[in-house]
This record gives sequence, structure tokens and C-alpha cells, in this order.
Amino acid sequence: AQSVTQLDSQVPVFEEAPVELRCNYSSSVSVYLFWYVQYPNQGLQLLLKYLSGSTLVKGINGFEAEFNKSQTSFHLRKPSVHISDTAEYFCAVMRAGGFKTIFGAGTRLFVKA
Amino acid sequence: GAGVSQSPRYKVAKRGQDVALRCDPISGHVSLFWYQQALGQGPEFLTYFQNEAQLDKSGLPSDRFFAERPEGSVSTLKIQRTQQEDSAVYLCASSAGRGIGIGNQPQHFGDGTRLSIL
Repeated sequence: AQSVTQLDSQVPVFEEAPVELRCNYSSSVSVYLFWYVQYPNQGLQLLLKYLSGSTLVKGINGFEAEFNKSQTSFHLRKPSVHISDTAEYFCAVMRAGGFKTIFGAGTRLFVKA
Repeated sequence: GAGVSQSPRYKVAKRGQDVALRCDPISGHVSLFWYQQALGQGPEFLTYFQNEAQLDKSGLPSDRFFAERPEGSVSTLKIQRTQQEDSAVYLCASSAGRGIGIGNQPQHFGDGTRLSIL
């Protein structure tokens, strides 16, 4: 079985500062990894995904993430955040070749002016 | 363009009543998922359809929960004899992917139905 741990429930940061949202996963088999963003009262939107290949993945809105197999991590980063990035961010894992997505509990990013 | 549409957006029901939640996926999407999202938590997988076939229902919390997709398009999640612990946001997602290729295609989420059981 797979599991996901998001290490921070809330991350406050000032506008234009860099941010890292941490995610660790557990799995005995190969996995796909995802980051989703959820704005209030909306569904989830895919930011980026890692399936295979290059461990540095670039996504939408200037976000990127790095897959680290030895540390079983998939941290999300952005070099300079905007007020509009305030939202809930979910890390998720799927067994390679499977279809069931397991989500973390989420990290609330709060960008302050 | 048309995304995944869920209705109603909000549903309030008394404990013991039956409810039905509807999901209209993106046209042509083979795969359809239902998730339950409790307050302050991430979505939890309920069930998965490939066309009209329900390939996995392992996440349904009890036999009070039932999902169908009879024509491989619109799906309905039904909850019988609702309980207070059923209060949550129910999310539907669809994907053009199928089988082992499903990870290659993004899941497109609806805005959810917020269910409150009094």
C-alpha cells in the first residue's frame, strides 16, 4: 500500500519570498507522484506530476518539484510566491500502472503582503 | 470549455434520509472517480469506473454507499440512511486515461457537492 505525509499543515510566507512545501511518501513499488492545488470551494487542479525520467518536474504557475527516491520525497517549490498562490496544496501518490490516488492531508499556503 | 459538473453544489439532509449526488464528466472521458473529502483533510478514494464498469469500490465506507454509471457517462453516488459522519464534500473527477496509462492523463475535478447531515 502507498501512503503520503505532508509535513506542514500550514505555511505562512511573505509575497515574493521562496517557498517549499514538503511531501514524503511510502511505497514498496514504483509510484507516480502528483501535486494538486485547491482554491476555496473548488475542486483540485493538477500542478505537476512525476511519472518517470527527469527527477525535476516543472508545472504550472511557476511551481516545480523534485523526486528524490532515496529520501522518498517529492517537495514542491516556487522561487517567488504571489498573493494569488494562497490555497491548499495536496501531494498525492499512485502505484505505477494503477488508478487509485492516495492524497496527503494537505498544506495550507498563506501568502502575506 | 465544459469541465466536470457536479450537482447539487450544496445538499442538506436530515439523518436517515437518502441522497443522490450527480456527476457529469467531460465528454468522452473513459475514467471516472469519486472521492470523499472531510473538513481539513485530503480527498479519499471511494470508487472508480472505466466506462460503465465499476472496477474498484473498495473505498466505499459502508453498504449504504452505492455508485453507478449505467451508460458510461453520467454517474450518481447514492447514500442511503445518511448519518452525520457522512457530512463531507464529495468530489468527482474524470480522465481520458484508462488502464495502465491512466497516470499519463490528468484527472479533472468538479467543484464538489458539500453534503451536510443534520
